[in-house]
Amino acid sequence: SQTIHQWPATLVQPVGSPLSLECTVEGTSNPNLYWYRQAAGRGLQLLFYSVGIGQISSEVPQNLSASRPQDRQFILSSKKLLLSDSGFYLCAWSARSRGGETQYFGPGTRLLVL
Amino acid sequence: AQSVTQPDIHITVSEGASLELRCNYSYGATPYLFWYVQSPGQGLQLLLKYFSGDTLVQGIKGFEAEFKRSQSSFNLRKPSVHWSDAAEYFCAVGFQKLVFGTGTRLLVSP
Repeated sequence: SQTIHQWPATLVQPVGSPLSLECTVEGTSNPNLYWYRQAAGRGLQLLFYSVGIGQISSEVPQNLSASRPQDRQFILSSKKLLLSDSGFYLCAWSARSRGGETQYFGPGTRLLVL
Repeated sequence: AQSVTQPDIHITVSEGASLELRCNYSYGATPYLFWYVQSPGQGLQLLLKYFSGDTLVQGIKGFEAEFKRSQSSFNLRKPSVHWSDAAEYFCAVGFQKLVFGTGTRLLVSP
């Protein structure tokens, strides 16, 4: 069966520090991968998605970037964190299908920028 | 623009009572439709989905949802709520990229 991991689970970082959040998927190959941010009362906002190694699409302009160095690894980064980057970050994967794709989510990383 | 509306921010239901959570969407074509549930501090778990076919879909934990094209709605229902159903529920629509509603927090009273 497929599983998705995210780490760390919780992170407290000072403003201006760098960030690296990691997401890995097991039990599947060539998944589509997604990064979302969840803010209180605002649902989930899609930040990045990837259909393959090195292929990243950005959905909103922001202080963050994403990379996919391996097929089942997706990394969310920042060079300098802002207070507004605080939130709950969720990674998701889907199997490519013509008949409809379902996204499955990881446990999330709670980021607090102070 | 694509959007999903979950008009109820909070809903309180007595244990054993029935539940209906509303979801309306605006999309260029009939999208795929999903309901997810999130417990505090955790990721989202898929409850059910609609791609095509029968407009009444069954999901896990006794939940079901009905797609009504004429109303652009995909409401979630459960005939008898359990205390463990207390969580936040998200409706989502789309194809490869999903648009999420802002969620409905369900509280279950004894």
